[in-house]
Amino acid sequence: QQQVKQSPQSLIVQKGGISIINCAYENTAFDYFPWYQQFPGKGPALLIAIRPDVSEKKEGRFTISFNKSAKQFSLHIMDSQPGDSATYFCAATRDNYGQNFVFGPGTRLSVLP
Amino acid sequence: ETGVTQSPTHLIKTRGQQVTLRCSSQSGHNTVSWYQQALGQGPQFIFQYYREEENGRGNFPPRFSGLQFPNYSSELNVNALELDDSALYLCASSTPAGQNSPLHFGNGTRLTVT
Repeated sequence: QQQVKQSPQSLIVQKGGISIINCAYENTAFDYFPWYQQFPGKGPALLIAIRPDVSEKKEGRFTISFNKSAKQFSLHIMDSQPGDSATYFCAATRDNYGQNFVFGPGTRLSVLP
Repeated sequence: ETGVTQSPTHLIKTRGQQVTLRCSSQSGHNTVSWYQQALGQGPQFIFQYYREEENGRGNFPPRFSGLQFPNYSSELNVNALELDDSALYLCASSTPAGQNSPLHFGNGTRLTVT
């Protein structure tokens, strides 16, 4: 029940295209859902996060869509750029839980020039 | 604002040895969490420290232990190293659990056990 599933495992997109990464969770107690971006040799960096009281959050080219009833959330990267090529992790946690973030297995995104 | 710093960046140890990894938290953050990231996988929660005490632990054996110091820096100690301990160890700092309290990661320590 602690697992977060993520798909696809890898994704190749042309420059200017839309990248979509999907995640699903089981634990309905989760109430904070961040996305992290990780470049080789670096630690994960927070990209955008959402709470289940909203269905969508947009920051620049990055949008999270959240479906509470389906227990799914997704990351959309609009106008994808080669600089977006990285591994993306979705995560979930519940406040006041020792901040045990459960991470998905990651999606390796490659944006072709 | 100083970010999370970890040392060393790389480390090679032999099976059965002990290792200590260090982390300085981001300015203003008093909570430190440690994660293990195996190659090609997402980070897995080891434990968290708040006010110098362990405040949550993942599914890791007792040979994984930690400390937090009054300046909020932290150490991760691993005893009796096993080959499967080879991974990237990430430290993350944050404010205490609550609204809008994401993790801020360092760049990790790459541990290789031979």
